[in-house]
Amino acid sequence: EVQLVESGGGLVQPGGSLRLSCAASGFIFSSHWMLWVRQVPGKGLVWVSRINTDGRNPMYAESVKGRFTISRDNAKNTLYLQMNSLRVEDTAVYYCTRGGPGWYFDNWGQGTLVTVSS
Amino acid sequence: EIVLTQSPGTLSLSPGERATLSCRASQSVTSSNLAWYQQKPGQAPSLLIYETSNRATGIPDRFSGSGSGTDFTLTISRLEPEDFAVYYCQQYGGSPEWTFGQGTKVEI
Repeated sequence: EVQLVESGGGLVQPGGSLRLSCAASGFIFSSHWMLWVRQVPGKGLVWVSRINTDGRNPMYAESVKGRFTISRDNAKNTLYLQMNSLRVEDTAVYYCTRGGPGWYFDNWGQGTLVTVSS
Repeated sequence: EIVLTQSPGTLSLSPGERATLSCRASQSVTSSNLAWYQQKPGQAPSLLIYETSNRATGIPDRFSGSGSGTDFTLTISRLEPEDFAVYYCQQYGGSPEWTFGQGTKVEI
């Protein structure tokens, strides 16, 4: 069974940093591109970042470019999202998702809440 | 940016009824790049339909997807109590790479 378990969320002040982790199991992690998607509570879904199987050529939404860094450790089956210079508008539930064979997300973690507030 | 507009915002129906959800794109979307997700309250989204019309693993056949170009549809032939949720369409292509519609809530 595919499992994606996020951790690292919490309350942080504007301008602060946080690192999210996503522990993957139940599949060959190194064979799948991975992504982060966020959702403001009660609102819609927004793609944040994507990373290829080998960690090269990460892509970011404009709203987080230059502040967030996606990475992965295939030996530890773990995906990361380093979030710096956090803003109030970054407050959201952050989901770790697995890329499908096509351009869709076939498995999702349960999410971790990031709250940016003073 | 390709904008996806879902309608209606809320669909009020009864179990056993048919639900038709619309997703309209601001530019043409390749059929292989269009997916639908279901999100129940307090839960993460889950894949429902991929590549416009393919049901994800374990999805019952009362769910079907169709469409092409800029108009796509998710149909639930006979609503079951567990189908009351929010549904999102999603497309891949351009910049940003992925965009979602704003969601359609199917409520009793």
